[in-house]
Order: sequence, then structure tokens, then C-alpha cells
Amino acid sequence: QKEVEQNSGPLSVPEGAIASLNCTYSDRGSQSFFWYRQYSGKSPELIMFIYSNGDKEDGRFTAQLNKASQYVSLLIRDSQPSDSATYLCAVNLNTDKLIFGTGTRLQVFP
Amino acid sequence: GAVVSQHPSWVICKSGTSVKIECRSLDFQATTMFWYRQFPKQSLMLMATSNEGSKATYEQGVEKDKFLINHASLTLSTLTVTSAHPEDSSFYICSAATGTGNTDTQYFGPGTRLTVL
Repeated sequence: QKEVEQNSGPLSVPEGAIASLNCTYSDRGSQSFFWYRQYSGKSPELIMFIYSNGDKEDGRFTAQLNKASQYVSLLIRDSQPSDSATYLCAVNLNTDKLIFGTGTRLQVFP
Repeated sequence: GAVVSQHPSWVICKSGTSVKIECRSLDFQATTMFWYRQFPKQSLMLMATSNEGSKATYEQGVEKDKFLINHASLTLSTLTVTSAHPEDSSFYICSAATGTGNTDTQYFGPGTRLTVL
């Protein structure tokens, strides 16, 4: 089992809809969780991080963490074509290293 | 805040030559920097973790004598690809984190695209 798993997609949503991106992780000792966005040919950029169970909102983005289910998700409200990118989930396994999922490709069509 | 730069942004070199890539944290001190490699349509692969003033920790399968890492100051780490070959062609990305521990956030540089002819 991979340490951090994501559906590779593509996830296609219409403009204005909510995009839901999911990530599961295998290590119950994981402490912190990150979502990065990566446009084709570019490096990842941080969207948000979450440490505690529950929801964390930042603008159109909401991260949800459920440690009991070992599940973290990212919701993007009012999706825009400019949100089309690969979204990387990353988990810190109680060290200074991040373990990345393979990413979910999101396509927002007009 | 939390800006990380890389130089050069792209480089083309002949097989057998060495290439140095610089990674700088511009507005914060990074006690830990990370070097990743990403091949087309694949995810990030961590190559090594670099702490200021100490030797880098390489991931399994990464040749430390081929990929030389120096973290001479709290704002600068360098990756030197020695005797580069076409299979080393890839997108090299650094990231920087403040302090140590499991809650630090990594901020990525813009990446360096290396093409070895």
C-alpha cells in the first residue's frame, strides 16, 4: 500500500461547480497535511495545510481532515478554468520529510 | 513572504559535464532544504534533505557522489549534478522549510529544467 494515495483523475467539473479532491494516507502517526497545486511545467505551490481534525477554510478552498479515517480532502468552490492543474496531497510522517501522493489532475471546463 | 528562488531556470549541457543549481530562500532562513526530481507526468521524487552546516541525507537509490549537495548558509543550498548524462535530464525542484520538526511548511522554488545532450 502506498503511503499517500490519490486518484490520478482527470477529475472534470464544470465552471462554477465544487471540485472535491481526496487523499488517503497509511501512517496513523502523520501529523500535518498539505495541499499543493502544480500547473504543467511549473513547480508546486502551497494552497493550504491542516493539522487538526475538521475543516479549514481559506477563500474558495476548504481542507478537511479526518484522522480516524486517515483521510484528507480539498474542496474548491466556484471552480474556475484557472484551477485546472494537478493537485498534490502531502503528508508529514513525524519527520521533516513530506510524502507526496501522485496527484489528481483537475480539469474545469467552461 | 516565503519566497524561494532557483537558478538557473533551465540549462542545457553536454554529456559528461557538471551542472550546479542554486536554491535560495529570499525572505526567511531555511534550516532545512530539500531537493526533488520530477520526470514528465510523474510525481515529485525526494532526492535528499539538506541541513545547514551538515551533510545531506540522501534517499535510497540516489547517488551521493553524483548529486553533490551543499548547504553552506541558512539561505543557500546548491545541487551539483556531476558527469551528467542524458538520463539525468529532468525537472529539479528545491524547497525550503523553516526550523525542524513535523509541522514546518515547505515552500518550493520555481524549478530548474536540465537537459543533457
